[in-house]
Amino acid sequence: GAGVSQSPRYKVAKRGQDVALRCDPISGHVSLFWYQQALGQGPEFLTYFQNEAQLDKSGLPSDRFFAERPEGSVSTLKIQRTQQEDSAVYLCASSYTELISYNEQFFGPGTRLTVL
Amino acid sequence: AQRVTQPEKLLSVFKGAPVELKCNYSYSGSPELFWYVQYSRQRLQLLLRHISRESIKGFTADLNKGETSFHLKKPFAQEEDSAMYYCALIGADGLTFGKGTHLIIQP
Repeated sequence: GAGVSQSPRYKVAKRGQDVALRCDPISGHVSLFWYQQALGQGPEFLTYFQNEAQLDKSGLPSDRFFAERPEGSVSTLKIQRTQQEDSAVYLCASSYTELISYNEQFFGPGTRLTVL
Repeated sequence: AQRVTQPEKLLSVFKGAPVELKCNYSYSGSPELFWYVQYSRQRLQLLLRHISRESIKGFTADLNKGETSFHLKKPFAQEEDSAMYYCALIGADGLTFGKGTHLIIQP
């Protein structure tokens, strides 16, 4: 593929709805990251996968947030019972190896979530 | 905890003028620092990393451990440099971004 892809690009949800955001990393990339970027802020780390293993989920803001990567490629970020404060751009990134250090992360275009 | 501070939300300079985007960090170990850039309607992408000591698109950044800074510099700004610039640090807590500086190059 040409790069990391994310879908949908835009999502509007009513407060209380569940949403699922998809990330297709670059083929063969071992590491996958999710970030949340609020308006006027830099991206903030949510969670990290090495293949199918979720090695770090310390950035997930609450137990309403859940991420999975069952086959070590595509990942889904699920937000249950969405709240207005969940409105943000959700970025996915992948990198070639399991080493976080030194390795460039390739970012997707993001999914802009608006919770009404 | 690791932290990255970009004190300027907005920086506007004229074409041909020098540019310096400030970045300060807080980290107890040896940091790895990066600059990421996001041009209008494009995705976030890596601009440069301190370990490479390279110049990309005329930009350079030097890690100053004494001042805990990693400022991004370019001697002569070009209009195509207009973008959001994010300083980032990799440490024990993963990749931490600053809030970004919006650079506007005026013709």
